Amino acid sequence: NAGVTQTPKFRILKIGQSMTLQCTQDMNHNYMYWYRQDPGMGLKLIYYSVGAGITDKGEVPNGYNVSRSTTEDFPLRLELAAPSQTSVYFCASSQGGSSYEQYFGPGTRLTVT
Amino acid sequence: AQSVTQLDSHVSVSEGTPVLLRCNYSSSYSPSLFWYVQHPNKGLQLLLKYTSAATLVKGINGFEAEFKKSETSFHLTKPSAHMSDAAEYFCVVSDTGKLIFGQGTTLQVKP
Repeated sequence: NAGVTQTPKFRILKIGQSMTLQCTQDMNHNYMYWYRQDPGMGLKLIYYSVGAGITDKGEVPNGYNVSRSTTEDFPLRLELAAPSQTSVYFCASSQGGSSYEQYFGPGTRLTVT
Repeated sequence: AQSVTQLDSHVSVSEGTPVLLRCNYSSSYSPSLFWYVQHPNKGLQLLLKYTSAATLVKGINGFEAEFKKSETSFHLTKPSAHMSDAAEYFCVVSDTGKLIFGQGTTLQVKP
C-alpha cells in the first residue's frame, strides 16, 4: 500500500513551457486534491475532485488544469509556465469530505525560470 | 467564509518542556478542525482532528488539542517536547469539504 505517490520530485521549467504533475493513490479514495505551498505559507487549494469525471476549482486555479478519468489518478497540468508558479505542489486524497483525514503525497518542487 | 489564524509563526522550546501552539478560527457553524505536521522535505501528516465529539482531542506522539467554542480556539499542546517534534505545524479548518490552512508555526526544539 503506497498511499499517495507523486512524480516527479523535482522539476525546472523555462517560462512558457508546459508539464504535467502526476498523482496516484491506491486507497480507493473518491476525493482528491491539488495544493501549492509557497515559502512561509500554508497550503492553498488549486483544484479538487470528488470522483472520476468530476472536478472543481479551488482557491488558486488560474494557470492550471486537471482531469480525473480514473479513481486512482489526478494529474495537474501547467500549460504556460510562469515564475509565479514556482512552488511546492502537494497532491492529497481522502475517503470523504469535511471531517475526513487527507493523505498527502511527498510533493513536487517546481522552479520556473 | 471560514478562516484560521496561527498566532505564532515561530515557537522555540527546550527539550522536555511543554509545547503550546496557538490557533484561532472563524466559522459560521460547527467546524471540523485539524492539526497537521510537516517535517522538512516531507508531505503533511495528520496529528489530530476535532469533529464535534469530545472537546479534548488526543492525537499521535503525545499531542492534544482542546476545542473552545467560546474562544474560537483550537490550541495544540504537548507536555514534554522531544527533538523529533521539530517541524512545521498547520492548524486547518474544513469548509464544505475543502481545507483552509493557517500560515503555519515552526517549532524549534533546543537540546
